[in-house]
Formats: sequence, structure tokens, C-alpha cells
Amino acid sequence: SQQGEEDPQALSIQEGENATMNCSYKTSINNLQWYRQNSGRGLVHLILIRSNEREKHSGRLRVTLDTSKKSSSLLITASRAADTASYFCATDESNFGNEKLTFGTGTRLTIIP
Amino acid sequence: DAGVIQSPRHEVTEMGQEVTLRCKPISGHDYLFWYRQTMMRGLELLIYFNNNVPIDDSGMPEDRFSAKMPNASFSTLKIQPSEPRDSAVYFCASSFGGWTGELFFGEGSRLTVL
Repeated sequence: SQQGEEDPQALSIQEGENATMNCSYKTSINNLQWYRQNSGRGLVHLILIRSNEREKHSGRLRVTLDTSKKSSSLLITASRAADTASYFCATDESNFGNEKLTFGTGTRLTIIP
Repeated sequence: DAGVIQSPRHEVTEMGQEVTLRCKPISGHDYLFWYRQTMMRGLELLIYFNNNVPIDDSGMPEDRFSAKMPNASFSTLKIQPSEPRDSAVYFCASSFGGWTGELFFGEGSRLTVL
């Protein structure tokens, strides 16, 4: 099963509104990353938050991490049409010493002009 | 830097044919990853290399899949023989330092096996 599960699966909002996406994971992690994928393109890294951090900002992005609840949220403020994309969380899952970055199922965000 | 470069961008082939996907990572990166993306299974890690050495290939679905990295600037993912269920978008990504930092993805190779 997926390490990360995003919620909601799909989200449509009006331009200018804020968008919030959530990610839940199952095992202990060292860091959690968020990526964006435009249709037909590769993934682009947005932000990384370490397990000892609770909140991080980058431009219009705000990420929170709650390790006790094994969850993270990505907030995009003042959304723009160009923010239309799929958003994925990724966690570094450790399995018997073999680490790997496991991606969630993604949230498809649509910004309505 | 031009980023991670993958080729071909699109490949349509018939069942049973050999498929070779190519990747040029970002210069200086010491990790290279191959992922597969499908609607049903999402993004799956197939294999990754560190300094050209395969570290974990547990995600490679079958013996029909093989990957090589003959040098720091080139990797291939080969499927022989291909099957319709192999249809997916295959991504190559590279990073410096492995999982502790960001991965840089290529634009992907969309494979359709008829």
C-alpha cells in the first residue's frame, strides 16, 4: 500500500482562494517532501520538511508536519490558475536499512479562473 | 544545467518487442532513480543507483525488466519482451545525496504496448 495518502483526491477552488491538501503516512520518517506535477510533465520539488520541524514556508506555500499524528498539510495561499496540477507528498520510508522515497497517491488541484 | 533528460518522450510498440528507455542525469548527482507511474498504482520505485552501482532493484516487477548505468552520465531501462501491462510513464530522477534532498525528475517516457 502507499506510504503516503493524500486527501482530498481532487480539489477545485476559485482563483484567489487558499488550497489545503493533507498527507498521512504510516511509518517513522526523517523527512517529508511535497512535489507538483503538471499534466504530462515530470515532478517538481516544492519543499522539504524534516521530522524535527513543525512548520515551513516558501513563498505562497506553507507546510506543517505533525509526527505524532503522522500527517502533513500543504497550504497554497492566494491560488493562481498556474497552480493547477497534481500534488504529491513523499516520505523516506526505511525498510530493513533500504531507504527509499515513497510517493502518495496525489491530490489533483484545479484552480477556476 | 539542462536538467534530467529522458528519451524517447513517447514510445508505441507491439507486444513482444524490446523497449529501451534512456536517461541522462544532472551532472554531479550521485543517485539515479527509475520510477513508473500508472493510474492504478501511482508512482512506484523500480530501481536506484548510487555512484553507478545498483542499490535496490526490489521494485523491478519481473525479469523482463533490467537497468544499467555504465557511467555517471547515462542509464538505461530495458523491457524485453514488452507486454501491454507495461504501458505507463517511466520517470528517471537524480539527486545529490540520496533521499535526504530533493529529486530532480525528467519529463518521462510514455510507453504504450499494443
